Parts: sequence; structure tokens; C-alpha cells
Amino acid sequence: QSALTQPASVSGSPGQSITISCTGTSSDVGGYNYVSWYQHHPGKAPKLMIYEVSNRPSGVSNRFSGSKSGNTASLTISGLQAEDEADYFCSSYTSSTSEVIFGGGTKLTVL
Amino acid sequence: QEQLVESGGGVVQPGRSLRLSCAASGFTFSSYGMHWVRQAPGKGLEGVAVIWYDGSKKYYADSVKGRFTTSRDNSKNTLYLQMNSLRAEDTALYYCGRYSGTYRAIDYWGQGTLVTVSS
Repeated sequence: QSALTQPASVSGSPGQSITISCTGTSSDVGGYNYVSWYQHHPGKAPKLMIYEVSNRPSGVSNRFSGSKSGNTASLTISGLQAEDEADYFCSSYTSSTSEVIFGGGTKLTVL
Repeated sequence: QEQLVESGGGVVQPGRSLRLSCAASGFTFSSYGMHWVRQAPGKGLEGVAVIWYDGSKKYYADSVKGRFTTSRDNSKNTLYLQMNSLRAEDTALYYCGRYSGTYRAIDYWGQGTLVTVSS
């Protein structure tokens, strides 16, 4: 069981928008604005898409956006494209000694 | 260009040892804390170990404490994970990642190296 809870899968058609949730506790997601989201194509290195809840690293498309409400963070992908099909996982800074905890990952299927 | 390349994975019998390496390039390795993260088949990511930029502090997941040791050689830009007393449940894809204090997140990852513990 992962520390942060994500839906196992989501799907959407090209051009649509989807949202992936990431639920934690007040000791991690709810307590800090240090939630990150990653895109992971199998066999490749995960790629940082969002940091500090809603910021995009340089080079990441503005179709990707993040938000947070209470203990739940969300990643929204708008204008879905075929190349968005991948696994997405969240992470959060935590007050525990490990510093970073992860969600179980969500498989995005572009129909 | 920042790059992390893991190596050392393979098939090993329960109770045996294995050492993973993570070669870093394209950035000042000695300035960053580093993480080991694993993903077992069909499971989510699990943080395994963390080491401070200078090696002065190390933290381990309870599941590996006392069996795994992480270290680094900043002169060789290389991170290590020594895994002893391996168990079937240690079977996973092991990633190394660079921790960014600015982002409070792992901002670069390797592609992973597969460890399979089986008799």
C-alpha cells in the first residue's frame, strides 16, 4: 500500500481533459506545498512535470497543471494527446525522515 | 545535460548480496542529496534510502534497515547501494534520483536497474 493514494487508471479521448488525484495526510500533502508530479513511460526515466503543487519546470507543456485542496493534490492534463499516455505518479515532501513519499501511480490511457 | 545511469542489477538468490551503482554526469554531484527508490512488479514507488550531499546523513526505509547501506564517492560522481540478506520481496526496479532542495523533490531520475531475488 503506497503512502499517497492515486486512482489506478484514468482515460480520456484526444483533446479532452483529465484529472488525477493524489490523497495524503496533513503530515505530507496537506502540510506542505511540496507536491510533485511525474510522467513515466515504461523503460524510461521518470520526468518531473510539476513541482511545488502547481509549478512547471522549463520545457514542460502548459497543458499540464497542478493544484491542491486540503490533503488532496491534483494533476490536470488538458488537450490530451496520444503521447500523454503514460504512468503518472505524485510525490510529497513529508515530515518523516525519508523526506519524500510517493503515490501508487495512475495509468493514463488515451483512447 | 543531467544524467543518472544505474547498474549492477541482476538475478540473485535469497540471502545473497548485490551492489548497485549510479553514475552521475552533467551536474555537480557533490552538491546534491541522492535517493534510491524502487518499484516492485505491479506496485507503486517506495523510497529505499537517502544520502545527504556530503554523505553525512543517511536514512533508510524500515523494510531495508539493517540490510541495505547507501554510500557515495563524490570524487567519482557515483552513488552506491549495498544490498545484503536479500529477500524475494526486494525484487524490484531500482532507481536513483537527484534531490533538489529548490523543488523539494527528485528532479532527475535514472532509467533503473532490475533486481530479481529468486532461488
